[in-house]
Amino acid sequence: GAVVSQHPSRVICKSGTSVKIECRSLDFQATTMFWYRQFPKQSLMLMATSNEGSKATYEQGVEKDKFLINHASLTLSTLTVTSAHPEDSSFYICSARGDRGRPYGNSPLHFGNGTRLTVT
Amino acid sequence: AQSVTQLGSHVSVSEGALVLLRCNYSSSVPPYLFWYVQYPNQGLQLLLKYTSAATLVKGINGFEAEFKKSETSFHLTKPSAHMSDAAEYFCAVSEGFNKFYFGSGTKLNVKP
Repeated sequence: GAVVSQHPSRVICKSGTSVKIECRSLDFQATTMFWYRQFPKQSLMLMATSNEGSKATYEQGVEKDKFLINHASLTLSTLTVTSAHPEDSSFYICSARGDRGRPYGNSPLHFGNGTRLTVT
Repeated sequence: AQSVTQLGSHVSVSEGALVLLRCNYSSSVPPYLFWYVQYPNQGLQLLLKYTSAATLVKGINGFEAEFKKSETSFHLTKPSAHMSDAAEYFCAVSEGFNKFYFGSGTKLNVKP
């Protein structure tokens, strides 16, 4: 099946620094990737939709200047948390949609293993 | 817009017992439905999906789900729970290519 790789799995950074998280589709091309945030004991909250070659679409309430998304190729999207603060500490998960190597309109989302960000 | 409701944020069963996790959705068009499982500190793994073929869908790890249009339900079942099934389960519905809606999740606890 389709595989999405996310890196790093854990990162600890100091307040005020920036952190970059990578999301790669390993065996299919993903023109669209999705970034989620998950708070403890809660469901996934869609932050933004990353579109290859164009600007990301952010959900309401998500600061686009704080959460920079770049989708420079068909297999890579990055999320950069800029000037991180302790309240940005969370579990971030990326996903991409695809099935058997091609993106289908109703194929499932495939998820990365997530990144646990801790800002001290 | 779609919505997904998972009844019961926590479900506890004994090992070997039936697992039933409930999911109801709202949709004005035929939906595409999914169940995912999440283990601690990991991403989500697809268990199974319904895409308008057979109403009874079999997934991995012995799980299956039945699509019931009249009840707008897509409940997840497993005949016999195993300790390794302890995890959080999410029901999701798809609306088009870029819209995916998740339920609030149900944490399954399996007692020895």
